[in-house]
Amino acid sequence: AQSVTQLGSHVSVSEGALVLLRCNYSSSVPPYLFWYVQYPNQGLQLLLKYTSAATLVKGINGFEAEFKKSETSFHLTKPSAHMSDAAEYFCAVSEYTGGFKTIFGAGTRLFVKA
Amino acid sequence: SQTIHQWPATLVQPVGSPLSLECTVEGTSNPNLYWYRQAAGRGLQLLFYSVGIGQISSEVPQNLSASRPQDRQFILSSKKLLLSDSGFYLCAWSGGTQDEKLFFGSGTQLSVL
Repeated sequence: AQSVTQLGSHVSVSEGALVLLRCNYSSSVPPYLFWYVQYPNQGLQLLLKYTSAATLVKGINGFEAEFKKSETSFHLTKPSAHMSDAAEYFCAVSEYTGGFKTIFGAGTRLFVKA
Repeated sequence: SQTIHQWPATLVQPVGSPLSLECTVEGTSNPNLYWYRQAAGRGLQLLFYSVGIGQISSEVPQNLSASRPQDRQFILSSKKLLLSDSGFYLCAWSGGTQDEKLFFGSGTQLSVL
């Protein structure tokens, strides 16, 4: 079974600083990887996804993620944090077991300090 | 355009009472449907998913069940709630291919007291 591990349940950065949220995956087949964001008391929305077309994936709100097969990683970055980026971020992998399902990591809550 | 409706938004239920959460999708046909639970500090746990009417896959043994009586309707139920059933429940749908994203409902905050 595939899985994802997010390192750090909480990350705190200053406004304008680099955001780096870590995600490692385990998969026996080429993975389909996703990053989702959840704002308080809301459902999740897709930030970006990797589907093997390009290793560097650009998403919404200035976020991007790089797929590194050798490191089995898919870290999420943003050059300059904004207060509105404060939210919980989930890394996810899609797998097929009789139907496609998405497995999520435990999430990383991002705090942005003024 | 496609929309997903999930209700109620919040629910407070006593231990031992039944549960029924409903989710409906509009604007698409034959979606894959999912129920996730989000507990504090534990991320999203996949509870059930369905690839068609009457087809339910359960991911973890638990006190809950799911049903899909219609193509775009997905129901999460329990006969007797436990304290441990408290959490934030999210319904989601996808088009059914591996690289398609999930579209989430706004969630139900369930408190079992």
